[in-house]
This record gives sequence, structure tokens and C-alpha cells, in this order.
Amino acid sequence: DTGVSQNPRHKITKRGQNVTFRCDPISEHNRLYWYRQTLGQGPEFLTYFQNEAQLEKSRLLSDRFSAERPKGSFSTLEIQRTEQGDSAMYLCASSLQGTLGPQPQHFGDGTRLSIL
Amino acid sequence: AQKVTQAQTEISVVEKEDVTLDCVYETRDTTYYLFWYKQPPSGELVFLIRRNSFDEQNEISGRYSWNFQKSTSSFNFTITASQVVDSAVYFCALSSREGSQGNLIFGKGTKLSVKP
Repeated sequence: DTGVSQNPRHKITKRGQNVTFRCDPISEHNRLYWYRQTLGQGPEFLTYFQNEAQLEKSRLLSDRFSAERPKGSFSTLEIQRTEQGDSAMYLCASSLQGTLGPQPQHFGDGTRLSIL
Repeated sequence: AQKVTQAQTEISVVEKEDVTLDCVYETRDTTYYLFWYKQPPSGELVFLIRRNSFDEQNEISGRYSWNFQKSTSSFNFTITASQVVDSAVYFCALSSREGSQGNLIFGKGTKLSVKP
């Protein structure tokens, strides 16, 4: 059983550059979530998809951030014109859509972004 | 507003001791779901349990047990006879319609260190 896969594991870039992360969810999961986690904090919700539709975006998701999930399979998260404050671990999770409340989300290993 | 508070930032115990991790939540919804996740040093969040607001029965799974008390808005997690492999950061999380259909509100986590 393949879990949630995220690439790359680490990304180091200079301030002002664009970066893109990829997430491959568990194959039968139709919901996909992006979170951001900084040191000593819990994950903070960014956005989520149900199939290919982006259903919700957090206020944390500034205009520099964009996420896509074409065809309802893998997802990409792009950050444009990166800033120092974007340094964090970006986590992807997936779940089934439950009829009896939210189903457990299964997380990937994350992509650690470091802005120089 | 939704909120999860894990007042214990770090706990250190000696192997075989019992330890309880506290979680207090806030929500205006009458229907909500509570979760616990474990984040070992490797980084991947691992789902432990989901509990809905209508089920106040305590649950036991091996050395793990959970005590849900709506009267005090708490969902505490106890590890019996702790082991070194239990060392991790543990997160409590909340999902309710007040916030969203699916995203999780995490606490800041409790770092548990189990020493041999």
C-alpha cells in the first residue's frame, strides 16, 4: 500500500525565486490537503481539494501561493517570489470523503523549504 | 472560534512510566471530531485516533488510551508503560463545521521524551 508521496524532500532556494512542490496522494483518496508547519508549531491548513476542485483556501495562502490538482490525481503547490518567511515544512495529506464526518488524513513526509 | 490547546510543551519520562498528554479544545459546534497524531523524529505525521463528539466512551488500544470529556472540553491521551519508541511530538487536532468541512486545527504539540 503506497502512502502519500511528496517531492522534493528538501528545497533550498534564494529569496525571490519561484518553487514548486508535488504531492501524490494515496490512489483511492479523493481529498487532498496542503499544510505548512514551522518549527515548534502544529501544521497550519493552507488549502484542500476534493477531486480536482479547490474547495477552500486559508487566509494564510497569499497571492504568491497557488495550488492545482489537475485531473484529481497529484497536486502541485507553487510559491512565487519566495520570502524568508516562507521557510517551513510543507505537508500534504489525503483522505477519503466520508459520509460520517471527516476521515483521517494521511500525511506525507513533507517538503522542507529553506530560503537563503 | 475553533482552537486546540496543548499546554504541555515538553514532557520527559523514564521508560515504563505512564504519561498523560493533555488536550483542550474550543468550538461552537455540537458536532465535531477530535484526532491525535504522532510525529516521530523522522517527520511523518501518523494518525492515531478519531473521535466524534457524540461518542464519549473512552478508548483503549494496546498501551494507548484516550479520555474524552465534553464537560471539560478535553480529549486526553495516556500512554501506559512508556517505551523509548514512544518519543515523538504528539498533536491533538479538531475538525468541525464552524471551520470547514475537512481541514484540521492542530494544537502546538507536546514533545514526549522517553529515556531508557
